[in-house]
Amino acid sequence: ETGVTQTPRHLVMGMTNKKSLKCEQHLGHNAMYWYKQSAKKPLELMFVYSLEERVENNSVPSRFSPECPNSSHLFLHLHTLQPEDSALYLCASSQEATGISGNIQYFGAGTRLSVL
Amino acid sequence: DQQVKQNSPSLSVQEGRISILNCDYTNSMFDYFLWYKKYPAEGPTFLISISSIKDKNEDGRFTVFLNKSAKHLSLHIVPSQPGDSAVYFCAASGGNNRLAFGKGNQVVVIP
Repeated sequence: ETGVTQTPRHLVMGMTNKKSLKCEQHLGHNAMYWYKQSAKKPLELMFVYSLEERVENNSVPSRFSPECPNSSHLFLHLHTLQPEDSALYLCASSQEATGISGNIQYFGAGTRLSVL
Repeated sequence: DQQVKQNSPSLSVQEGRISILNCDYTNSMFDYFLWYKKYPAEGPTFLISISSIKDKNEDGRFTVFLNKSAKHLSLHIVPSQPGDSAVYFCAASGGNNRLAFGKGNQVVVIP
């Protein structure tokens, strides 16, 4: 079983739909992340959860709503998206230690989202 | 403003030769640097890292060099193999453990 699993792998949705992306990590990590990767752009950090609490929201529109019910699961709820939201959405996890650098994040395979 | 920059978006190299990828950063608070490798339809996978207290870290065919004064790091792959064909991302973090990524370099190793 892979360390970080994302479902679905591909998603096509209309602008009025509501859908959710799921991420599950089997590494025993205490932090989870959502990233957005658009063509020819660096990975953009969207949300960070540490010990199941959201610790960072990088000015992400409210049409993206994260949820972290426990340390192993992370969701990204989507509603009324725009075509420019089409991208690869990546989930990652890591073991964070306060004041110590060296945070290696482990990524899932991503969900390729197309908004029509 | 992009804090981690990878220029020369693509690189083609013959099998057996050296691949050199470059990365520049602007934030002097970064103290940990990583390289990730990404195949199509897969997520990025961690390759090698280096702390700012070192100037070189080697792991098999992969070596990362850090020049703090120039805010520059590089990844050397030698010898290059066809399986190394992928996109390589440079990333950096400071005390908050958040990673800043570059745009990535496409490497093609020609058999």
